Amino acid sequence: QSVLTQPPSVSAAPGQKVTISCSGSSSNIGNNYVSWYQQLPGTAPKLLIYDNNKRPSGIPDRFSGSKSGTSATLGITGLQTGDEADYYCGTWDSSLSVFYVFGTGTKVTVL
Amino acid sequence: QVQLQESGPGLVKPSETLSLTCAVSGYSISSGYYWGWIRQPPGKGLEWIGSIYHSGSTYYNPSLKSRVTISVDTSKNQFSLKLSSVTAADTAVYYCARHPLGIAAGGGYGAFDIWGQGTMVTVSS
Repeated sequence: QSVLTQPPSVSAAPGQKVTISCSGSSSNIGNNYVSWYQQLPGTAPKLLIYDNNKRPSGIPDRFSGSKSGTSATLGITGLQTGDEADYYCGTWDSSLSVFYVFGTGTKVTVL
Repeated sequence: QVQLQESGPGLVKPSETLSLTCAVSGYSISSGYYWGWIRQPPGKGLEWIGSIYHSGSTYYNPSLKSRVTISVDTSKNQFSLKLSSVTAADTAVYYCARHPLGIAAGGGYGAFDIWGQGTMVTVSS
């Protein structure tokens, strides 16, 4: 069972904006950097955001990340049909040992 | 460019050991980064299994630690996963991926930046 909680699904019309929340605790999000991954149907996950708000080369600025306390948020503006995918947050947890945790995942639907 | 490719049996019997290898091309494992395994059961979310550095230093998911061994072969530029005493619950797509790991002002960092395509492993008799 994941320690990072995301909404199961969000949806919006093309061109609109969606935000996905990721809620954790002080042992993970609260004291470590957050990443976000996009998983298109039938493909491997792809890194979208790292270090809370940085985009790897090639990721459009329609995707943004932020962190506040023990929660993080992924924003997608100018929604496109190609953005329909599952999105996962992830971070390191340093409670009793060091391990990586993924969020529960959010399905984005473009209406 | 850096590429990762998983390989191994697609079918494993219950109670046996699952063994997978991830071949890395376009980058030397010995140059840095950690190398990890992540799995995804059908229709479910991602689960980190563990990671290894070229020196052999490892981190494992506490929930799987008793059954997992990750090793590295720098001469072949590959790393491997062994998961023992498998059950149907271990049926999943298994991915290998690369990530840095360190501490900065904002805490620990280390995103999985390059992934393999994944390989499906089914546990069944």
